[in-house]
Amino acid sequence: KAGVTQTPRYLIKTRGQQVTLSCSPISGHRSVSWYQQTPGQGLQFLFEYFSETQRNKGNFPGRFSGRQFSNSRSEMNVSTLELGDSALYLCASSFRTGDYGYTFGSGTRLTVV
Amino acid sequence: GNSVTQMEGPVTLSEEAFLTINCTYTATGYPSLFWYVQYPGEGLQLLLKATKADDKGSNKGFEATYRKETTSFHLEKGSVQVSDSAVYFCALINRDDKIIFGKGTRLHILP
Repeated sequence: KAGVTQTPRYLIKTRGQQVTLSCSPISGHRSVSWYQQTPGQGLQFLFEYFSETQRNKGNFPGRFSGRQFSNSRSEMNVSTLELGDSALYLCASSFRTGDYGYTFGSGTRLTVV
Repeated sequence: GNSVTQMEGPVTLSEEAFLTINCTYTATGYPSLFWYVQYPGEGLQLLLKATKADDKGSNKGFEATYRKETTSFHLEKGSVQVSDSAVYFCALINRDDKIIFGKGTRLHILP
């Protein structure tokens, strides 16, 4: 079966711009969560969506937002980009929220210049 | 709050050596514990898990035992291969269902 698909794989943006990242979960998975991975901070949880509702949120500023559609696909948006937002953004899906069988995508590498 | 601490890398070993990557955690209650592996250019893959004290997770020759008395979940493998070179993440999920990762340990296996 197809895995978790994240698009685009690479992205370069300028400070102050906004960006939207996309995640298509495994078919049948209804929970999608997002993570930021940087060399300094490691992997940090951004938020989790289940059935179009945000169920959990990490400690990130309001510039980071997301949503989930009725087909379980999810988007993450970052507004007013800062240099420190440069990171690998990973998406993971699971059958249900709190399910420990997370499957991760390969990520979107965002570079802010 | 909840946290995961794992040994700093990189860890460099020769093929067929014994591997231990230490992981300790701080959490209230009884979290579930995980090891994930990230190969170059890829996302994370679940390697093994344990959901209660004294459980042993195992997969692909890797093992880890949930030790509540020492709040540890150390990853071990008896004989590593070059293909095991990757970054390994220890993680926990507690009652709030948020997953907390350690910083990751990069493992290099020399042929």
